[in-house]
Amino acid sequence: DADVTQTPRNRITKTGKRIMLECSQTKGHDRMYWYRQDPGLGLRLIYYSFDVKDINKGEISDGYSVSRQAQAKFSLSLESAIPNQTALYFCATSPAAGGGRNTEAFFGQGTRLTVV
Amino acid sequence: GNSVTQMEGPVTLSEEAFLTINCTYTATGYPSLFWYVQYPGEGLQLLLKATKADDKGSNKGFEATYRKETTSFHLEKGSVQVSDSAVYFCALMDSSYKLIFGSGTRLLVRP
Repeated sequence: DADVTQTPRNRITKTGKRIMLECSQTKGHDRMYWYRQDPGLGLRLIYYSFDVKDINKGEISDGYSVSRQAQAKFSLSLESAIPNQTALYFCATSPAAGGGRNTEAFFGQGTRLTVV
Repeated sequence: GNSVTQMEGPVTLSEEAFLTINCTYTATGYPSLFWYVQYPGEGLQLLLKATKADDKGSNKGFEATYRKETTSFHLEKGSVQVSDSAVYFCALMDSSYKLIFGSGTRLLVRP
């Protein structure tokens, strides 16, 4: 089983619908991140969390919300989906051991979301 | 804000050619620097990293040196293989533990 699991892997939804993307991890990491990937734009940070009570906005948080239900679970919601939110979404985790910045991030396989 | 800039792709090379992918960064303080690789249909995985000035990260024949004076972290490999075809991302982790990525560079290696 993958250490960082995203569900669903693919989703097509209609404009205006609410949708939730889920991420769970078995690595015991404190830090979790949500990114979206668009061609030519790389990965852009949506939200990140360093523990259950610590949620932070990234560079493109508008139109998104998150919930850190437990250390292992971090969900991303689109309250009212729009076509320009069509993208590949990645969840990532990173340990906070020692508080250092040299720790590797581990990525899920991604969720391909299409808003029609 | 902090940012990462990488050369646009795609980069197309013949097998055994020398590879350079340029990466520069803007950040306050002393970020850690990373190269991640994304193979088709997969998530990103760490290729190499460097945590302080003049550190050299290396893995699978790839190398990159943390150059603070030029704020650069260029990726190099002496002899690429077809299996190296992928998208390469330069990234930094800043003082607030945000992990920030560049736009990615697609590498295509032809036999």
